[in-house]
Amino acid sequence: DIQMTQSPSTLSASVGDRVTITCRASQSVSSWLAWYQQKPGKAPKLLIYEASTLESGVPSRFRGSGSGTVFTLTISSLQPDDFATYSCQQYNTYPWTFGQGTKVEIK
Amino acid sequence: EVQVLESGGGSVQAGGSLRLSCAASGFIFNSYAMNWVRQAPGKGLEWVSGISGSGAGTYYTDSVKGRFTISRDNSKNTLDLQINSLRAEDTAMYYCAKGARVGGYFDYWGQGTLVTVSS
Repeated sequence: DIQMTQSPSTLSASVGDRVTITCRASQSVSSWLAWYQQKPGKAPKLLIYEASTLESGVPSRFRGSGSGTVFTLTISSLQPDDFATYSCQQYNTYPWTFGQGTKVEIK
Repeated sequence: EVQVLESGGGSVQAGGSLRLSCAASGFIFNSYAMNWVRQAPGKGLEWVSGISGSGAGTYYTDSVKGRFTISRDNSKNTLDLQINSLRAEDTAMYYCAKGARVGGYFDYWGQGTLVTVSS
């Protein structure tokens, strides 16, 4: 199975900060990577697919980049609604696998 | 509006069985793969199983092969997951997730149904 490792596991930041989360795959997943946002008690929400394509309706402050084994999710200016857990997912090879999640909390 | 709504969760003893269901609406159901993704309490997301739009292709993560069976009824726009030989480690929120048009990511998720397995 392809292992997905996110860093950091927890990130403390303030409103307006630029935030970057890294996702590393144990082998190449090409650009077949998605990012999700999840708030406590809620279902995940798709943010980005194919590594860098923004899902419709997602604010442009979210940006995804990378290919192969290293990917990043950047939030250009953190907003109050962005405090949540973010997870990456590879869909290059079955079984689809997720990173362990990165919790973005208020500093 | 796309909607997926899970049901069927509950508390069960180890070794028992449950059948989870997902009712979908707002899209052409048989054109899309459907999936089950679970999340143990305080843990990350884990893809469990997927099924192609026609139902001809089914896929499972190793830890559930032989115990879980995914199926769909395209005439009723429903997705099921039959879970047998339940273990404590199967305790989780189970989400029904719609597959994207192209690619194995998930563009719509239900609110989940909770499965609790006691030993």
